[in-house]
Amino acid sequence: SYELTQPPSVSVSPGQTARITCSGDALPHQYAYWYQQKPGQAPVMVIYKDTERPSGIPERISGSSSGTTVTLTISGVQAEDEADYYCQSADSSGTYRFVFGTGTKVTVL
Amino acid sequence: EVQVVESGGGLVQPGRSLRLSCVASGFTFDEYAMHWVRQAPGKGLEWVSGVNWNSGRIGYADSVKGRFTISRDNAKNSLYLEMNSLRAEDTALYYCARMGLLLSFFDYWGQGTLVTVSS
Repeated sequence: SYELTQPPSVSVSPGQTARITCSGDALPHQYAYWYQQKPGQAPVMVIYKDTERPSGIPERISGSSSGTTVTLTISGVQAEDEADYYCQSADSSGTYRFVFGTGTKVTVL
Repeated sequence: EVQVVESGGGLVQPGRSLRLSCVASGFTFDEYAMHWVRQAPGKGLEWVSGVNWNSGRIGYADSVKGRFTISRDNAKNSLYLEMNSLRAEDTALYYCARMGLLLSFFDYWGQGTLVTVSS
């Protein structure tokens, strides 16, 4: 089955930059989406189509893509950015299946 | 306002069945694909199953294929998940989520319904 791999955790000091990678073989062929999830809450999308930011999401959150890896970057990290982050994409094999990444816990030191 | 509200969770013994429901409001239900996503306690998100607007496309994660059945009733703005042969590893918070109209992302989520499989 198709998998998306993320680092389990990233730690960053306030004001610094956090980068979260997501790797998957189908990412050159399918868009990636990023979600932020805080404890006790449903996920919220923060990036769509690899690099686009929905309205209401701070400009310090951005996305990029290169080959089989997509990256979520949080510049000037703030305490409120501490959360779990998940990438998500679709299976490119033609089946109606979707997948989430393994998730990354961002800790603001 | 778009809303999706799940129900039907609870405590169930291994091997038994449970049916989850999701009622949607605030949008034209029969235009959108709908999905179930689960999250085991302290674990990550796992896509479980999805159905397109007219039930013409349906998919399941390998972990539930053959045991779970997704369905929808557009007349009732409702999505369902019939879960059979439940296992301890199916214990999770089950979210109902709407998929974006043109892109494959989940734009609205419910608050989830908790399923606990235990003897």
